Amino acid sequence: DAGITQSPRHKVTETGTPVTLRCHQTENHRYMYWYRQDPGHGLRLIHYSYGVKDTDKGEVSDGYSVSRSKTEDFLLTLESATSSQTSVYFCAISRTGLAGVKKAGELFFGEGSRLTVL
Amino acid sequence: GENVEQHPSTLSVQEGDSAVIKCTYSDSASNYFPWYKQELGKRPQLIIDIRSNVGEKKDQRIAVTLNKTAKHFSLHITETQPEDSAVYFCAASISLGGGNKLTFGTGTQLKVEL
Repeated sequence: DAGITQSPRHKVTETGTPVTLRCHQTENHRYMYWYRQDPGHGLRLIHYSYGVKDTDKGEVSDGYSVSRSKTEDFLLTLESATSSQTSVYFCAISRTGLAGVKKAGELFFGEGSRLTVL
Repeated sequence: GENVEQHPSTLSVQEGDSAVIKCTYSDSASNYFPWYKQELGKRPQLIIDIRSNVGEKKDQRIAVTLNKTAKHFSLHITETQPEDSAVYFCAASISLGGGNKLTFGTGTQLKVEL
């Protein structure tokens, strides 16, 4: 898994409830990303981080917030989940400077978190 | 922002034939163009990438070409095999200092038939 894990892997929740997804990495990478994947839309960037406490919005950030209080964890929060946020969420890291990495800056994805909002 | 269009959305080929997937991008400043393969229920995985200072790159049965003037790039798979069946995504970004905010195409479902 190249040191990146997502939790939970599956979650079913109800409209209006808060949800937090966690991305954890063990390789001390600076850049981390949250994408969502939906049929017909590919992968779309929600938020990204370029260091501890340094985050910025992606193309579909409405309804989502993120936090990065330490290098290894990047949290994605849905303050009040809606049915339109039913999706598969992928965390990714930019793997740079490591042996075996195809190219500096290659994005490596976690296994995904499937969220269903009823 | 960047916009990436990908065609076709589905592609069916006979085993041994070639497959070509095409993408266009909008931001002339983009300089990094990876291709990801995603098998059912799995994470996207990088299969090949190209940077804007080269026009073509090959890795065994797969190759990518880039036309910066036309803002087109394509994935070519030769001698397709059943295990090539998957969804393929192109992407584009401005790669700076190790970070890559990738903008993805909508994907191509490739089916290799026996």
